[in-house]
Amino acid sequence: AQSVTQPDIHITVSEGASLELRCNYSYGATPYLFWYVQSPGQGLQLLLKYFSGDTLVQGIKGFEAEFKRSQSSFNLRKPSVHWSDAAEYFCALNYGGSQGNLIFGKGTKLSVKP
Amino acid sequence: DTGVSQNPRHKITKRGQNVTFRCDPISEHNRLYWYRQTLGQGPEFLTYFQNEAQLEKSRLLSDRFSAERPKGSFSTLEIQRTEQGDSAMYLCASSVIVGATGELFFGEGSRLTVL
Repeated sequence: AQSVTQPDIHITVSEGASLELRCNYSYGATPYLFWYVQSPGQGLQLLLKYFSGDTLVQGIKGFEAEFKRSQSSFNLRKPSVHWSDAAEYFCALNYGGSQGNLIFGKGTKLSVKP
Repeated sequence: DTGVSQNPRHKITKRGQNVTFRCDPISEHNRLYWYRQTLGQGPEFLTYFQNEAQLEKSRLLSDRFSAERPKGSFSTLEIQRTEQGDSAMYLCASSVIVGATGELFFGEGSRLTVL
């Protein structure tokens, strides 16, 4: 069955430091993968998505993610974190391709130290 | 583009009462989804509509839950005889069919607290 795993529940980084949030998926076909961000009390905002082509995808707010089929991973990265990046980040997989529904990981909460 | 709109944003109710949430999707979007998010968890799929047809329901959607999308526009999610375990954020999302990339556009959610 399809699933998404985010191994880190909570990560703290210093402002200006680099960031990598891990995401592993289980799916038998080519996945459509997404990273969403959720600020407290808010809905989900799409950061970036992958469904074909270049395995390194760029998103908003300076984020990028790399799809690695051999490792079933889609890790999110940012070279220099800003205090405003503190939020919860969710990796998601669309198991119906472009027409299906999203399965989400449990999320990684990011805290940023000044 | 006014985005996905959900009302009410917050609802506090007593156990056993009925509650209804409304979602207005992005106007040109054919698909509408309902998700539930509890504390410390990612959103969990409940159900989705394509136009006015309800095409899939999760096992999470018990008999006390009912969703409608009359005329394929806005949608309502009703919970009857609420239980404390229903306390959660209820998220609505919408998407297109033609030209879809699998992206869902989410509203800000309706938070339910059952006392």
